[in-house]
Amino acid sequence: QSALTQPASVSGSPGQSITISCTGTSSDVGSYNLVSWYQQHPGKAPKLMIYEVSKRPSGVSNRFSGSKSGNTASLTISGLQAEDEADYYCCSYAGSSTLEFGGGTKLTVL
Amino acid sequence: QVQLQESGPGLVKPSGTLSLTCAVSGGSISSSNWWSWVRQPPGKGLEWIGEIYHSGSTNYNPSLKSRVTISVDKSKNQFSLKLSSVTAADTAVYYCARVEAVTMSVDVWGKGTTVTVSS
Repeated sequence: QSALTQPASVSGSPGQSITISCTGTSSDVGSYNLVSWYQQHPGKAPKLMIYEVSKRPSGVSNRFSGSKSGNTASLTISGLQAEDEADYYCCSYAGSSTLEFGGGTKLTVL
Repeated sequence: QVQLQESGPGLVKPSGTLSLTCAVSGGSISSSNWWSWVRQPPGKGLEWIGEIYHSGSTNYNPSLKSRVTISVDKSKNQFSLKLSSVTAADTAVYYCARVEAVTMSVDVWGKGTTVTVSS
């Protein structure tokens, strides 16, 4: 069982918006603004999409945004495109110099 | 830009030790980053294994700590993973990665290498 809880799957139609949640505890997500999100296409390495809850690395589309409320972080993808179909993972600093990943969410673009 | 490349045996026998190396190119391992290992069992999610700083300071996933050793070789600009007493549950794609020290985000990933534990 993963330390951070994500829905197993979400889906949306092209052009729509979807949100993926990442629920932790007061010891990880709730205590630190050090949540990151990763996109992984089949057979590929993960790619950093969001860091420090809501910041985007250079080159990442502004269709991707992040937020946090209490012990739950969220990734929102607006204007869904076929290329967004992938697995998405959240990750949080958990104190004591450790990192935790969520179980992953499969995004299907209908 | 920094690139990472994993290398090591793709097949390890049960109860043996898994050993992997990650070569860092395009940058120095002595930069202000942590160097990490992450694994992904077939069809499953990502698991952080641990990390090392160029000073040799290490942090490990508590669930694996008793079996994991991560080391660094600054002269070769590389770092390594050893996982002992492996079982089939350790079969996975192993990624080496760079963890940005301030944001604690994994900003550079290797392509990954598949390690199978089987007799």
